[in-house]
Amino acid sequence: GESVGLHLPTLSVQEGDNSIINCAYSNSASDYFIWYKQESGKGPQFIIDIRSNMDKRQGQRVTVLLNKTVKHLSLQIAATQPGDSAVYFCAENRNTDKLIFGTGTRLQVFP
Amino acid sequence: KAGVTQTPRYLIKTRGQQVTLSCSPISGHRSVSWYQQTPGQGLQFLFEYFSETQRNKGNFPGRFSGRQFSNSRSEMNVSTLELGDSALYLCASTVDNRYGYTFGSGTRLTVV
Repeated sequence: GESVGLHLPTLSVQEGDNSIINCAYSNSASDYFIWYKQESGKGPQFIIDIRSNMDKRQGQRVTVLLNKTVKHLSLQIAATQPGDSAVYFCAENRNTDKLIFGTGTRLQVFP
Repeated sequence: KAGVTQTPRYLIKTRGQQVTLSCSPISGHRSVSWYQQTPGQGLQFLFEYFSETQRNKGNFPGRFSGRQFSNSRSEMNVSTLELGDSALYLCASTVDNRYGYTFGSGTRLTVV
């Protein structure tokens, strides 16, 4: 069935360290992937996306890596800050009108 | 520019009642999607509207319905509410149906 999942439900990192959040997807036909950040009481906020014709894409302090061979997606956050504390979701899109979301990973940043 | 606006932010309803939630997309966005978010099921797709037509529908019972108006504003309705309908209902809009989804802050529905 359809599934986009996350390996770690909670990730705790020290401020200033790098964070890596992982995601597995099940359908090799998926061709567009997005990472969202959701803070308490808010809707998901777009962080970065990547299309299947790319392996890597960088933004400001964030990098998304796509490994189509093993159907794996990761989000790297450099120099993690307290403001990065949130739940992070990956989502996939397969040329349909909907996003399929993973279960989410909670990132906790401690001083 | 203004973001996606959802009203109301919070709602408490009794089992058996019905509820209508509203979503105003970003100006110029013609596609509106609805998602249900619960701790147990995560984010689940409800339906998507484009130019007043439902283009895609998730696996939810017929008690969940929606519509879109000519100004792209959308409403979703849940009839005969059940306790399990308690959730955060999120609306997202986009110009194109694949890219640039922007979410609203959601409506928190509590069914008692």
